[in-house]
Amino acid sequence: QSVLTQPPSVSGAPGQRVTISCTGSSSNIGAGYDVHWYQQLPGTAPKLLIYANNNRPSGVPDRFSGSKSGTSASLAITGLQADDEADYYCQSYESASGVFGGGTKLTVL
Amino acid sequence: EVQLLESGGGLVQPGGSLRLSCAASGFTFSTYAMTWVRQAPGKGLEWVSAISTDGGGTYYADSVTGRFTISRDTSKNTLYLQMNSLRAEDTAVYYCARVIVAAAIGAAFDIWGQGTMVTVSS
Repeated sequence: QSVLTQPPSVSGAPGQRVTISCTGSSSNIGAGYDVHWYQQLPGTAPKLLIYANNNRPSGVPDRFSGSKSGTSASLAITGLQADDEADYYCQSYESASGVFGGGTKLTVL
Repeated sequence: EVQLLESGGGLVQPGGSLRLSCAASGFTFSTYAMTWVRQAPGKGLEWVSAISTDGGGTYYADSVTGRFTISRDTSKNTLYLQMNSLRAEDTAVYYCARVIVAAAIGAAFDIWGQGTMVTVSS
């Protein structure tokens, strides 16, 4: 059981908007730690998508955005594309240890 | 090109030891904290350990505390993970990753290696 809770799966049609939630507690996200998001395509290493709640690394399209409020965070993807189909993970910290969400599989219909 | 390349994975018996290495290139290794993350077959990501820029600060997941040791050699631009008393549940792909800033705790992981597989089985 992961410290951060994500829905196991989400889906959407091409062009649509989807959101992935990440629920934590007062010990991690609610304690003020930033939330980061990663995309993992099948058979590849994770890739940083969003850092420090709502910042995109160079090269990440602005279709991807993040937000944080209280003990939760969200990743939003607009204009869904076929190659967005992947696993998405949120990550934060708790008691000087990294913690991940269980991951969400995004299916593009 | 900024790159991390892990090595040292393989098959080991329960109770055995293994040392993973992660060779860094294309950036100033000494100015970044580093971390290890693992992924069991068909499972999600699990944070394992992190180390500060000078190696003076080390951090571990409860699941590996007392068994794993993270270290770094700046002269060789290499990160290590010494794994002792290995268990079946340690079977996973082990990724090394660069922390986006100098602080070992709190920040994201912006560069990842391709991973090295560790299988603990008799």
